Amino acid sequence: QSVLTQPPSVSAAPGQKVTISCSGSGSNIGNNYVSWYHQLPGTAPKLLIYDNNKRPSGIPDRFSGSKSGTSATLGITGLQTGDEADYYCGTWDSSLSAWVFGGGTKLTVL
Amino acid sequence: QVQLVQSGAEVKKPGASVKVSCKASGYTFTTYDINWVRQATGQGLEWMGWMNPHSGNTGYAQKFQGRVAMTRDTSISTAYMELSSLRSEDTAVYYCARGHPNTVTSGYWFDPWGQGTLVSVSS
Repeated sequence: QSVLTQPPSVSAAPGQKVTISCSGSGSNIGNNYVSWYHQLPGTAPKLLIYDNNKRPSGIPDRFSGSKSGTSATLGITGLQTGDEADYYCGTWDSSLSAWVFGGGTKLTVL
Repeated sequence: QVQLVQSGAEVKKPGASVKVSCKASGYTFTTYDINWVRQATGQGLEWMGWMNPHSGNTGYAQKFQGRVAMTRDTSISTAYMELSSLRSEDTAVYYCARGHPNTVTSGYWFDPWGQGTLVSVSS
């Protein structure tokens, strides 16, 4: 199983808000910055959030990130059908000396 | 624009090796790490390691130590990932991704990613 824990799936209606959690430990999320990626079916992952809560240019402000202690959260407001994708959190793990990802969360917009 | 373009799909037999390339454009190749991440069908992302194209220094996930080699050719801005002693469990899409550090905060993230290379291992 993955070092970082994410819910396997979340769902919400168009226009609604959803949050995706990412739980880790002191050796990873607790002491390092978190980034988030989304992956549309059949495509490569794409950066969504970096440094816990910063958005790259071109990512709408409907997407937000936060971190508290050993957990991080991705928030998406104003859900659109085009947001249906797999979402992954990631960070460096100082104990493993390795980058670790969450297992991924499949977002369904009902 | 910044872009990573990977080599095409490969089919290999168990025990063989595969070498995947990742050509960078739109930035100075030697100024950012290249990381390799793989994804088995229907599974999550698995980090394999990183390479500094300037120095050639590498760091590999323990799982792949002794079986993976990450190299580069700076003259053509291309990174390579070679995986040996292939087994069926290595069947996956392999991605390269530029490692982007924040020198102020020590944050680090992957952007952009290559389009992926499917490696199939089957007898």
